[in-house]
Amino acid sequence: QVHLQESGPGLVKPSETLSLACTVSGASVGGSSSYWGWIRVPPGKGLEWIATIYGGGTTFFNPSLKSRAGISIDTSKNHFSLRLTSVTASDTAVYYCVKNLPHSSGWAWGLWGQGTLVTVSS
Amino acid sequence: YVLTQPPSVSVGPGQTATITCGGRNIGGQSVHWYQKKPRQAPVLVVYNDGDRPSGIPDRFSGSNSGNTATLTISRVEAGDEADYYCQVWDSSSDVVFGGGTQLTVL
Repeated sequence: QVHLQESGPGLVKPSETLSLACTVSGASVGGSSSYWGWIRVPPGKGLEWIATIYGGGTTFFNPSLKSRAGISIDTSKNHFSLRLTSVTASDTAVYYCVKNLPHSSGWAWGLWGQGTLVTVSS
Repeated sequence: YVLTQPPSVSVGPGQTATITCGGRNIGGQSVHWYQKKPRQAPVLVVYNDGDRPSGIPDRFSGSNSGNTATLTISRVEAGDEADYYCQVWDSSSDVVFGGGTQLTVL
């Protein structure tokens, strides 16, 4: 049974960097055919994809966030991380880490973490 | 790439709910659907247009053709009340979500 758990600060100051980690249990983040990602839900709004990383290290970003977002894998800790620089209040959201459903086309996100609320405020 | 969903759909219990997702030539892409309830993580209910993940009841089904994909929920229950989102992978934008549809069970 694969399980995802987000961790990181719940409060970030404007202009600073948001950093979150997703600890994976039951699977290897470095495994082939696995895609790992981050999706957020701002208060009162819909789902917004942020970034995806393939187990081999290839990365993909939402064009609107690409200039500020980074995603990486740490196989020694079996986790993957999100960095979002120069945050503003509009980055306030519940952030979810996700894993694709094997054998799905076009990244169906079959596994989600419980989510972590990040508030951007001074 | 833009996916268009109706903001809201309302049905009575036991009836059939139909939620659409419009996009240019969406029939040529794989569409996935998620259920999002308040204070809960989203749940994948349909993937690859019409397949169901393990544990999802067969009341949930999907289809996709032309410029419209459809999520159908048969024999709607009170517990199906949620926001539903469609999603595709697009070559220029990678992951794209629709704006979401609020399903109300009357």
